[in-house]
Amino acid sequence: AQSVTQLGSHVSVSEGALVLLRCNYSSSVPPYLFWYVQYPNQGLQLLLKYTSAATLVKGINGFEAEFKKSETSFHLTKPSAHMSDAAEYFCAVSVADSSASKIIFGSGTRLSIRP
Amino acid sequence: DAGVTQSPTHLIKTRGQQVTLRCSPKSGHDTVSWYQQALGQGPQFIFQYYEEEERQRGNFPDRFSGHQFPNYSSELNVNALWLGDSALYLCASSSIPGQTTEAFFGQGTRLTVV
Repeated sequence: AQSVTQLGSHVSVSEGALVLLRCNYSSSVPPYLFWYVQYPNQGLQLLLKYTSAATLVKGINGFEAEFKKSETSFHLTKPSAHMSDAAEYFCAVSVADSSASKIIFGSGTRLSIRP
Repeated sequence: DAGVTQSPTHLIKTRGQQVTLRCSPKSGHDTVSWYQQALGQGPQFIFQYYEEEERQRGNFPDRFSGHQFPNYSSELNVNALWLGDSALYLCASSSIPGQTTEAFFGQGTRLTVV
């Protein structure tokens, strides 16, 4: 069965510092992996997705993630944090067959940015 | 393109009541999925509708039911509300039922049960 584990429920970094949010997945088949962002009182916005093409995936707002099969990881990074990056981030894996699909989410990591 | 729209945005209900939430998918999408996001947690899959049929269901009781209309819009119904049903309910739409790579989420309906 597919699942994701996000390491660290809360991460705090200084403005301008590197952002690293960790995600490990479990999947019996090649996975589709996602990172979503959720701002307070809002829905989910897709940051980036891995669909078995390039292992380094670039997303919106300067974020990127690298798929590492050997480590079953899909960590999210951004070289320089901005105050506007403060939000909840969810790693997710897709579970699909020919007739239906669903997304399984991790428990989330809250990112805080210190001035 | 309006994207995925949900209504209402906020709702307060009393324990034991019934509630109906609505979702209009993104233009060109015919598959709708519903998720429940409790406070401080990640979204949990409730069910998915395609061609007006429930195609897959998560681990939710029968109190949770849904419907999809010919115009692809969808409703989520919850009967006999519990306090624990208080959550953000998210709707996601996509164009292929067996694929989530292009799923788009709405802003959600915040349900509070008192």
